[in-house]
Amino acid sequence: QKEVEQNSGPLSVPEGAIASLNCTYSDRGSQSFFWYRQYSGKSPELIMFIYSNGDKEDGRFTAQLNKASQYVSLLIRDSQPSDSATYLCAVNIAGAAGNKLTFGGGTRVLVKP
Amino acid sequence: DTGVSQNPRHKITKRGQNVTFRCDPISEHNRLYWYRQTLGQGPEFLTYFQNEAQLEKSRLLSDRFSAERPKGSFSTLEIQRTEQGDSAMYLCASSLGVSDGYTFGSGTRLTVV
Repeated sequence: QKEVEQNSGPLSVPEGAIASLNCTYSDRGSQSFFWYRQYSGKSPELIMFIYSNGDKEDGRFTAQLNKASQYVSLLIRDSQPSDSATYLCAVNIAGAAGNKLTFGGGTRVLVKP
Repeated sequence: DTGVSQNPRHKITKRGQNVTFRCDPISEHNRLYWYRQTLGQGPEFLTYFQNEAQLEKSRLLSDRFSAERPKGSFSTLEIQRTEQGDSAMYLCASSLGVSDGYTFGSGTRLTVV
């Protein structure tokens, strides 16, 4: 079992709709959760982080964390063509040396005009 | 420029040659990480420095790979006797605190022919 799992997609979303991305992780000791966006040929850029159970909103993005079920999700509201990218979930496992992040394989999102 | 800088951006080398990549982190960040990413996959952890100390190295990393961070500033990643399987994007990232997300550099794309 992979430590961090994501559906590879592609997730096809009409412009203006909500994109919903899911991520599951295996280690119950995980403490910090991050979502990165990666455009083709570019490096990942941090878009959100969440530490506590519940929802966290930042503009059009909402991260949701459920530690009991070991999943974290990302919602993108009012999706735009510029949101077309691969979204990487990353998890920091408690006790891992120096905040080492373990990444999922990413979910490719395609927003169609 | 206060971002993470990586050089070179691209490197093409013949199998069996040695290559060295450089990473200059954000100046106040004491944590520096190297990851490798192949097409369609998430970043894979290689090694981590806190200041000048190399605190963790992936078991997946063969002895052909070595990294240094002299004086806790820039870092270098060397691959000796390159193989075609080493072809990938090599990403450097830095962070300030244990719970902070990473800031990635633009990466070095290695092609071994």
